[in-house]
Amino acid sequence: TQLLEQSPQFLSIQEGENLTVYCNSSSVFSSLQWYRQEPGEGPVLLVTVVTGGEVKKLKRLTFQFGDARKDSSLHITAAQPGDTGLYLCAAWQQAGTALIFGKGTTLSVSS
Amino acid sequence: DTAVSQTPKYLVTQMGNDKSIKCEQNLGHDTMYWYKQDSKKFLKIMFSYNNKELIINETVPNRFSPKSPDKAHLNLHINSLELGDSAVYFCASTRGPEVGELFFGEGSRLTVL
Repeated sequence: TQLLEQSPQFLSIQEGENLTVYCNSSSVFSSLQWYRQEPGEGPVLLVTVVTGGEVKKLKRLTFQFGDARKDSSLHITAAQPGDTGLYLCAAWQQAGTALIFGKGTTLSVSS
Repeated sequence: DTAVSQTPKYLVTQMGNDKSIKCEQNLGHDTMYWYKQDSKKFLKIMFSYNNKELIINETVPNRFSPKSPDKAHLNLHINSLELGDSAVYFCASTRGPEVGELFFGEGSRLTVL
């Protein structure tokens, strides 16, 4: 069974701080996705990383895919209260039949 | 227009009852899913349908029965509800297996008393 381990599970920080969320697996994935979920809503895709070593930036968010395509990280610079939410990493099962998710990181940014 | 819509958003019911959740997507996608999100926010795949055909049934009790009348709809019927069924159920769709992103509905929060 393929598993995605996310850490930390909870993160509570002050506005302006930086943070990193990690997603690790013993399996190799062809791509990895990051979603963000706000209360009362479904997850929404932030980014897909495809190539080992790839780095993608979305404003203050930086996503990295490990060289071996087994792990990924999400770094947020100068966090803002609007970044508060549940961050989920996800990857397609080997059979390509379903997207599996990590257990998520709940981020709370206070002003 | 909402891309993936689920109804109802909230369900409160007694143990032993039967309930249904409906899902519709207007994205023209071929593949639809049901996920269960527990109280710890873990999203677990339950079912996957591709073009109305069942692809995945992830060891879900047979009290749960999905039905796909056409590729734009995937409904979930639950018989004999148990306390442990309390969760948020999400419908999602994608163009095809292993293709791109999942588009999620807003979720249906089921509370079994």
